[in-house]
Amino acid sequence: DQQVKQNSPSLSVQEGRISILNCDYTNSMFDYFLWYKKYPAEGPTFLISISSIKDKNEDGRFTVFLNKSAKHLSLHIVPSQPGDSAVYFCAARPYNTNAGKSTFGDGTTLTVKP
Amino acid sequence: ETGVTQTPRHLVMGMTNKKSLKCEQHLGHNAMYWYKQSAKKPLELMFVYNFKEQTENNSVPSRFSPECPNSSHLFLHLHTLQPEDSALYLCASSPIVGTGNTEAFFGQGTRLTVV
Repeated sequence: DQQVKQNSPSLSVQEGRISILNCDYTNSMFDYFLWYKKYPAEGPTFLISISSIKDKNEDGRFTVFLNKSAKHLSLHIVPSQPGDSAVYFCAARPYNTNAGKSTFGDGTTLTVKP
Repeated sequence: ETGVTQTPRHLVMGMTNKKSLKCEQHLGHNAMYWYKQSAKKPLELMFVYNFKEQTENNSVPSRFSPECPNSSHLFLHLHTLQPEDSALYLCASSPIVGTGNTEAFFGQGTRLTVV
């Protein structure tokens, strides 16, 4: 049973518009959530995170929203830029565990068209 | 050198070969990890090392043998692999648990092809 799911394998948006990437989780023990970004031929890099005590965290063009009751989080990118084209992984873990022990989703490939 | 460095970047090996993947981190972290990413599958955590000690082995076949001589270096020794072991192998490091909001730092990965 996959505990972190990203149901959209791919997403295509126009430059300047909003990109919304979604993630669902099933494990109630997860209380820390992260988004990683991966370019081809590179490892994933951390993008933004949120703990379960918050429902929103913003960092520049990137905002993560958490809906604990629905076990759902989303990443908003506004405005989207061509350089944002990458694979985005959602990850989750209990807060008091090793940072590398997150459970990852399958990833969503974002393409931002000029 | 900065961050997490993995070598080699690409590796093609036969099923009877023995090879090793190397990972080195320059971040002062005390936890290191091996992940496997197969096509169209999520990252799978293979091994966890805290302060050079293996603390987790997620049912990984014995043909994969990790080694952590110190907190900065991690190896994955490969022996008699199968074609289905072909994947991207990622190394990561992080501060040990208890240091607050943290994330893992990944290397660029080794693309392994078993023929």
